[in-house]
Amino acid sequence: SQKIEQNSEALNIQEGKTATLTCNYTNYSPAYLQWYRQDPGRGPVFLLLIRENEKEKRKERLKVTFDTTLKQSLFHITASQPADSATYLCALDLSSGGYNKLIFGAGTRLAVHP
Amino acid sequence: EAQVTQNPRYLITVTGKKLTVTCSQNMNHEYMSWYRQDPGLGLRQIYYSMNVEVTDKGDVPEGYKVSRKEKRNFPLILESPSPNQTSLYFCASTPRGLAYEQYFGPGTRLTVT
Repeated sequence: SQKIEQNSEALNIQEGKTATLTCNYTNYSPAYLQWYRQDPGRGPVFLLLIRENEKEKRKERLKVTFDTTLKQSLFHITASQPADSATYLCALDLSSGGYNKLIFGAGTRLAVHP
Repeated sequence: EAQVTQNPRYLITVTGKKLTVTCSQNMNHEYMSWYRQDPGLGLRQIYYSMNVEVTDKGDVPEGYKVSRKEKRNFPLILESPSPNQTSLYFCASTPRGLAYEQYFGPGTRLTVT
């Protein structure tokens, strides 16, 4: 079955540095991969979607890469701020495998220290 | 304001007492889903609906029921709750399909004793 792995340990970085979060998956390649932000006690909020034929996608200080050979996506936050502290979830679409659903990783908690 | 709402936000109940968690969206989205979130396991899909009267099982449907009689509403029903259904539940909707961005509700924290 499809499996998604995100670093379960929290990532602690200094304000102003670039945070890099990793999402690895097994088995077949999804058509899309998404990243969400989740604050404690709240629902996830959509950030970015990248398609399998796109190597990179940017939105303000956020950048996502998608390497279908490595079966990996990297999520970067440049010039990080304490307000970026949250849990970040990656999710991949299984529609190309005949399943009409999205599966989520367990998330990586990011803490940005002043 | 475009949003997904859930009620109740918090619920403590006892084993076997039927309950319903409501979900409503005001964005005219066709696709809606229910997820549960447990520590270390991430979000797992319970049921989804591609349109009115069209529902299908997700990864963990056992013990749950859903209905989609109107486009905006997608209630989650626990006919006989058990302690292993203690979890944080999220409803989500999407305008174009489950492969696209999901709009999540605020969550319902359910405790079954």
